Amino acid sequence: QSALTQPPSASGSPGQSVTVSCTGTSSDVGAYNYVSWYQQHPGKAPKLMIYEVSKRPSGVPDRFSGSKSGNTASLTVSGLQAEDEADYYCSSYAGSIYYVVFGGGTKLTVL
Amino acid sequence: QVQLQESGPGLVKPSETLSLTCTVSGGSISSYHWTWIRQPPGKGLEWIGYIYYSGSTHYNPSLKSRVTMSVDTSENQFSLKLSSVTAADTAVYYCARLTGVGQIGYWGQGTLVTVSS
Repeated sequence: QSALTQPPSASGSPGQSVTVSCTGTSSDVGAYNYVSWYQQHPGKAPKLMIYEVSKRPSGVPDRFSGSKSGNTASLTVSGLQAEDEADYYCSSYAGSIYYVVFGGGTKLTVL
Repeated sequence: QVQLQESGPGLVKPSETLSLTCTVSGGSISSYHWTWIRQPPGKGLEWIGYIYYSGSTHYNPSLKSRVTMSVDTSENQFSLKLSSVTAADTAVYYCARLTGVGQIGYWGQGTLVTVSS
């Protein structure tokens, strides 16, 4: 099972919107609505930001949104703030054998 | 609020067994799935496997031959053993709790394990 594909970097200015893509296959992203997104600041543990494609855990700002089309999921951060600068990882349920696969991560820079 | 804390040696010799324990506080270990994820320095996340509080397990096929997970409900702890380690197993190891299908809602702070002689 291969890792999901994410762009290595993305950037935007404060107040702008940025979208990060996550491309999988018909065996993971395309097959299930169990895509999650995690935010990781340097030296910290990842934090769940989006689950089940588009749902936000309690406490996550509504500036963060998720969507999916076919084999590609997307995370959009609107109204960029300095504290949004971090690495973002997507993951997807991949069935009963591989269970979950992660993307390689995207470094989001707030210019 | 559930909190998780990894513990174990930070240095393991090649060919030996890496052993880590995760202590859960702020809630019971019962009725949940608990998981281990690792992250090599400067790289992405890799799922290692999960264990249910009852003891049933599910491992990443790429690591399955070397991984053993166990749970101790009396101590509110679960553990990871990874045998025959090499330098490629050097990583920050996170223990965590699944909060849905493929969804990791609670994470420990992580512990760096270096494989070196």
